[in-house]
Formats: sequence, structure tokens, C-alpha cells
Amino acid sequence: AQSVSQHNHHVILSEAASLELGCNYSYGGTVNLFWYVQYPGQHLQLLLKYFSGDPLVKGIKGFEAEFIKSKFSFNLRKPSVQWSDTAEYFCAVNPNNAGNMLTFGGGTRLMVKP
Amino acid sequence: DGGITQSPKYLFRKEGQNVTLSCEQNLNHDAMYWYRQDPGQGLRLIYYSQIVNDFQKGDIAEGYSVSREKKESFPLTVTSAQKNPTAFYLCASRTGNEQFFGPGTRLTVL
Repeated sequence: AQSVSQHNHHVILSEAASLELGCNYSYGGTVNLFWYVQYPGQHLQLLLKYFSGDPLVKGIKGFEAEFIKSKFSFNLRKPSVQWSDTAEYFCAVNPNNAGNMLTFGGGTRLMVKP
Repeated sequence: DGGITQSPKYLFRKEGQNVTLSCEQNLNHDAMYWYRQDPGQGLRLIYYSQIVNDFQKGDIAEGYSVSREKKESFPLTVTSAQKNPTAFYLCASRTGNEQFFGPGTRLTVL
């Protein structure tokens, strides 16, 4: 069965540190890839997405993610985090033949210390 | 103001009681989804509906039921058959390949 793994469950960083959150998936075919963010007390919202083309995608708030097909990975990065990036981050995968169903990873809770 | 609303934000029920969670959207989206969020497990799909009067089971449908009588509404009933109902429930709707989420309902069964 399709699965999505986020190996970092909790990450604590100081402001201005660089961030990389891992996401790996098990599906071997063509996929659409997403990162969602859930700020404390707020809706889950889309951070960025990859469907095709340039494997390095830019999202909101300075985030980017790189799709590496050979590694089945879609890691999220930000060069310099801010306290306001404190949130839970979810990777999600939609295989192209799965009728727009999303499979989510377990989430990574990021805390940025001021 | 377009969006997805879920009510109530917090819900408490006694064990053995059925409870219905509301989800309404005014985005004119055909597809709607219900997810359950548990710590460390991400979001898991309970039920989804691609169009009015049609719905399909997701990965963890046991103990839940839904209806889709109107495009705008996709209520979820948590029945007494659900063995571990205490969780955060998220509703979503979709346009194209992007899903939009509601604020969620936190259900606690005492």
C-alpha cells in the first residue's frame, strides 16, 4: 500500500537556522506531491505543490521543496527559519491514478526558539 | 466570504452515543473529504464524495457514516461502533488537484 514517511517527528531550531524536513513515499509511479502546514489554532493550508516540470518548487513564506524521483523524496527546506514558522508540517502524496486521493505523512512538529 | 466551515469547534459526547459533525462549503466544489488527525499519524481518510448523492469509503471508514444530499454539505456521523472516536476531525473540499481544509472539530468521547 501507498505510504508516506516523515522521519522527523519533532524538530527544534533557533531562529535563523536552516531547515530541512524529510519526506519519502513508497509509490513507484507518477505522483503529485504536496506540503501542508498547520499553524497553532489555524486551518491546514497548502505550502507548496509539485505536479511536473522543475523538480525544485517554491512555496509561500520562503519555503521550497525538491522532488528527487530516484530517492522517492520530496524534502522541504527553508534557509533561515523564523519564530512564526512554528507549526506542524505534513507531506502528502497523490498518485496520478488515485482519483485525487491524498495520503499524508505522520507530520513533523517544528518549534523555532526566538 | 468563501470557505469551509465546521461546527462545533469542540464536541463532547458520552460513550455509546452517535454524534454528527457538520461540514459546509460555499466554494462550489464537487468533491469533499473527511479526515481524522491523530498525533504522529498525520491525516487518515475516512470518507469522500466526488459528487452529490455519491460517497466512497476511505482507509478507516469503520464506525463512521456520511451523507451527501447537497453539494454544500457533507456531514459525518461518528457511531457507537467506532472504537476510538476521540480525535480531531478535518473536512476538506477540492478543486483541481488542491484540497482546502476546514478548521476542524475536536471530538472527545467521555
